[in-house]
Amino acid sequence: DQQVKQNSPSLSVQEGRISILNCDYTNSMFDYFLWYKKYPAEGPTFLISISSIKDKNEDGRFTVFLNKSAKHLSLHIVPSQPGDSAVYFCAARDLMEYGNKLVFGAGTILRVKS
Amino acid sequence: NAGVMQNPRHLVRRRGQEARLRCSPMKGHSHVYWYRQLPEEGLKFMVYLQKENIIDESGMPKERFSAEFPKEGPSILRIQQVVRGDSAAYFCASSLRTGRNEAFFGQGTRLTVV
Repeated sequence: DQQVKQNSPSLSVQEGRISILNCDYTNSMFDYFLWYKKYPAEGPTFLISISSIKDKNEDGRFTVFLNKSAKHLSLHIVPSQPGDSAVYFCAARDLMEYGNKLVFGAGTILRVKS
Repeated sequence: NAGVMQNPRHLVRRRGQEARLRCSPMKGHSHVYWYRQLPEEGLKFMVYLQKENIIDESGMPKERFSAEFPKEGPSILRIQQVVRGDSAAYFCASSLRTGRNEAFFGQGTRLTVV
């Protein structure tokens, strides 16, 4: 039972263009969402997060949008750079769970071509 | 300010042997989480510990797996009598406290069972 789904296994984008990574969830008790970036042979690195009381959060080139009614969030990277090539994981936290236990999607491989 | 430290980075064990994975959280962090990533999958929560206490072990297999976070020293994830299916990347994360803050991940231990 996948509570967090990233339906696109991979995405290829030209340098300078926008990258849009999508994530869907099923658990209505999720109240906090995070995106992590992961390079091969390294651990996930926190990128950006959003609380369920917001619909947008922006940090430099990265913006996360949340549509609660659709249970959908997306990460926009503008402009995309070759160094952004990595695996991106969407993660969510359940309001009813104690601590920072996260539920992860399967990840999307982003390739930015120069 | 060292990040989350995991060792070893790579561990090879024969079937039936024991594997011990160590995690030193970031300085000042008293919450530790272990995740497992199987090939082509996202990270799956295993266990959440605070100093000397297991808070949530709902993701731990019922047999052969155990975790501890003693008052002194690193957190240990122990896998007894390893099988080929235990081959995966094991990530540890730590956070300062519960609530809406990020968990920081280590670089992971890649366990290979031969």
